[in-house]
Amino acid sequence: QSVLTQPPSVSGAPGQRVTISCTGSSSNIGAGYSVHWYQHLPGTAPQLLIYANNNRPSGVPDRFSGSQSGTSASLAITGLQAEDEADYYCQSYDSSLSGVVFGGGTKLTVL
Amino acid sequence: EVQLVESGGGLVQSGGSLRLSCAASGFTFTRYWMSWVRQAPGKGLEWVANIKQDGSEKSYVDSVKGRFTISRDNAKNSLYLQMNSLRGEDTAVYYCARFCGSTSCYSGWFEFWGQGTLVTVSS
Repeated sequence: QSVLTQPPSVSGAPGQRVTISCTGSSSNIGAGYSVHWYQHLPGTAPQLLIYANNNRPSGVPDRFSGSQSGTSASLAITGLQAEDEADYYCQSYDSSLSGVVFGGGTKLTVL
Repeated sequence: EVQLVESGGGLVQSGGSLRLSCAASGFTFTRYWMSWVRQAPGKGLEWVANIKQDGSEKSYVDSVKGRFTISRDNAKNSLYLQMNSLRGEDTAVYYCARFCGSTSCYSGWFEFWGQGTLVTVSS
């Protein structure tokens, strides 16, 4: 059981908008620790998508955006493309565990 | 271009040891915390350990405390993970990752990752 909770899967048709939630608690997201998001294709290195809640590294399309409120965060993907099909993970810090924590991951399927 | 290249993975018996290495290039190694993150077969990403720029601070996930040791050689731009008393649940792809560039990194993120090295622990 992950400290950060994500839905196991989401899906959407090309061109649509999907969101992936990341629910934490008062010892991680709710304590003000930033949330970061990664895209992971099997057999490849994970890629940073969003850092510090809502910032995109250079090279990441503006179709990807992040938000955070209270003890939760969300990743939104607009204009869904086939190449977006991958696993997505949120990450933060947990003060009770004194360490970095990841969500369980969400598999995005493009229909 | 930032490059992180892991090596040292392989098949090891339960209770055995293995040392992973990560060769870093393309950035000033001494400016960053470095980390190991793993992914067991069919599972999600799991943070394993962090080490501060000068090696003075280290942190570990509870499941590896007392068994794994993270270290670095700044003269060689290299990161290491010594894994002892290996268990079946340690079977995973181990990724080397660049963590944050500050002295305090509670809200840090993994900006660059290596391709990973597979560790398989057999019983």
